[in-house]
Amino acid sequence: AQSVSQHNHHVILSEAASLELGCNYSYGGTVNLFWYVQYPGQHLQLLLKYFSGDPLVKGIKGFEAEFIKSKFSFNLRKPSVQWSDTAEYFCAVNANNQGGKLIFGQGTELSVKP
Amino acid sequence: DTAVSQTPKYLVTQMGNDKSIKCEQNLGHDTMYWYKQDSKKFLKIMFSYNNKELIINETVPNRFSPKSPDKAHLNLHINSLELGDSAVYFCASSQGMTSGGEETQYFGPGTRLLVL
Repeated sequence: AQSVSQHNHHVILSEAASLELGCNYSYGGTVNLFWYVQYPGQHLQLLLKYFSGDPLVKGIKGFEAEFIKSKFSFNLRKPSVQWSDTAEYFCAVNANNQGGKLIFGQGTELSVKP
Repeated sequence: DTAVSQTPKYLVTQMGNDKSIKCEQNLGHDTMYWYKQDSKKFLKIMFSYNNKELIINETVPNRFSPKSPDKAHLNLHINSLELGDSAVYFCASSQGMTSGGEETQYFGPGTRLLVL
């Protein structure tokens, strides 16, 4: 069965620090990859997605992620975080032959100290 | 304009009751979903409908019954509520449900259900 693993449960950074959140998935076939963000008390919003092509994808708010097929990874990065980036971050995978079924990781809570 | 809306936002009820959560999307999408987010914030798909047809039905107790009167609405009815049903329920929609799974899903604000 497919699964998604996010390595960090809670990350605490100071403003301007660089961010990297890990995401690994287990599925041998073609996948579509997503990062969603959930700000406190709000719904999930799409940060970025990868379907095909350039493995380095850029999203909103300065976020980017790199798909490394050999490592089954899709890590999220941001060179300089802001206090407003405080939120829960979810990695999700959709296997190419499973229609709209999104498998989510357990989420990483990011706290940015001003 | 809210793209995917849910009502109610909060729902507090007693064990054994029956309740419904409504979801509406104004994006013109064909596919809608229900997800459950537990107390540890883990999100898991429950159901999806494409053009009013049930497509995905995960291992969810049959006390949960989705209903799609039209492709813009997907409601979730829960019978005989149990303590373990307490969670946040998110509705989502996507343009379609291609076999390739490239469609982006847009989420509603969630309904926080507390069963006492």
